[in-house]
Amino acid sequence: GAGVSQSPSNKVTEKGKDVELRCDPISGHTALYWYRQSLGQGLEFLIYFQGNSAPDKSGLPSDRFSAERTGGSVSTLTIQRTQQEDSAVYLCASSLGRGRTEAFFGQGTRLTVV
Amino acid sequence: AQKVTQAQTEISVVEKEDVTLDCVYETRDTTYYLFWYKQPPSGELVFLIRRNSFDEQNEISGRYSWNFQKSTSSFNFTITASQVVDSAVYFCALSELDSNYQLIWGAGTKLIIKP
Repeated sequence: GAGVSQSPSNKVTEKGKDVELRCDPISGHTALYWYRQSLGQGLEFLIYFQGNSAPDKSGLPSDRFSAERTGGSVSTLTIQRTQQEDSAVYLCASSLGRGRTEAFFGQGTRLTVV
Repeated sequence: AQKVTQAQTEISVVEKEDVTLDCVYETRDTTYYLFWYKQPPSGELVFLIRRNSFDEQNEISGRYSWNFQKSTSSFNFTITASQVVDSAVYFCALSELDSNYQLIWGAGTKLIIKP
């Protein structure tokens, strides 16, 4: 597709279970971001990938969170042993380069931990 | 340290009024970029504008205009003759060379346009 695609759009999971969120960036975009947005709040940076460089993981809130980007394209954000406070919308964005060009966002994955 | 302040948490106006959303930034760098994004109720953030620190020229796009003033470290956004469809949360963001262009986001301003 032409835009950033995220799946699933909604995910309800039980506390303690692991979840995987997927992001398909725009083809050719070397930069990929994951953000978290709680209800009515701003964007919380999680992790950033740029080409083959080591990712910037400085925003990951705990070691339960991890992400990978395979082949410089698709990215998966994994949350292990989910907690209720992990409930939020997880947004993925891609761009041609970090911070100098506009980022294009996906529609997000709404995660609800019950 | 870089910082973006959107002091207006929520603004409510009646349709057709003009409205200005404020964005004040802090940076010690001379090379930086500023952005505005719109997040409608559907949730997907939409890019509106990018401005680099070397271009202080104001921008107008239809009913939207942006006023970039380095002297006051502000990058304000004005909607003229607002419409209900303008209702959204608007985010201002900053990236600077010294921080490897990490995007720093403001808290957002929720704009409500009443019919």
